Amino acid sequence: DGGITQSPKYLFRKEGQNVTLSCEQNLNHDAMYWYRQDPGQGLRLIYYSQIVNDFQKGDIAEGYSVSREKKESFPLTVTSAQKNPTAFYLCASRGGQPNTEAFFGQGTRLTVV
Amino acid sequence: AQSVTQLGSHVSVSEGALVLLRCNYSSSVPPYLFWYVQYPNQGLQLLLKYTSAATLVKGINGFEAEFKKSETSFHLTKPSAHMSDAAEYFCAVSVGANSKLTFGKGITLSVRP
Repeated sequence: DGGITQSPKYLFRKEGQNVTLSCEQNLNHDAMYWYRQDPGQGLRLIYYSQIVNDFQKGDIAEGYSVSREKKESFPLTVTSAQKNPTAFYLCASRGGQPNTEAFFGQGTRLTVV
Repeated sequence: AQSVTQLGSHVSVSEGALVLLRCNYSSSVPPYLFWYVQYPNQGLQLLLKYTSAATLVKGINGFEAEFKKSETSFHLTKPSAHMSDAAEYFCAVSVGANSKLTFGKGITLSVRP
């Protein structure tokens, strides 16, 4: 089945540690996105990539990093510089045209203690 | 820059009553508009989308939305609410060729028996 897979579903880390969230898609989509979701704040865009080996900062990129070495994969690293990393993280992918919908993974809930 | 406004964070209706969730957009060029639904601890699922064809768009689970350019609105409706409609609903906008998808803050729909 085609889809987008995020792993793990739940992740716990100690403060000060970097952590990498996985996102893989087999939909052959060019564009991939990372969003952060906090209660009452909707989805805020962290990074997005429209093509392999290229990505752009979203609205809240500070403290995060990404790579896009393969079309299928767009991992997100939450660094120790992110001051409030505990949140629900959603990955999405989309075809290249602006009239196409995004497909979402099931999310990763990160808790930093 | 594109943006979406979803007024109110919570809507409560009785089972069988009309559901109306409001979405207004801001865009300097013709937009593409989307409604998504999210159940707890899950990713987002597309309900429907407007891509400049028909202004009245029908989606899954009995939902529909009407694009009104004069009001810059894309409100979501359902004639008769069901308990299973209780979820969070997000409106999103995309314009131009950069494929960036911008979300509103979301509305939580509660359905009373």
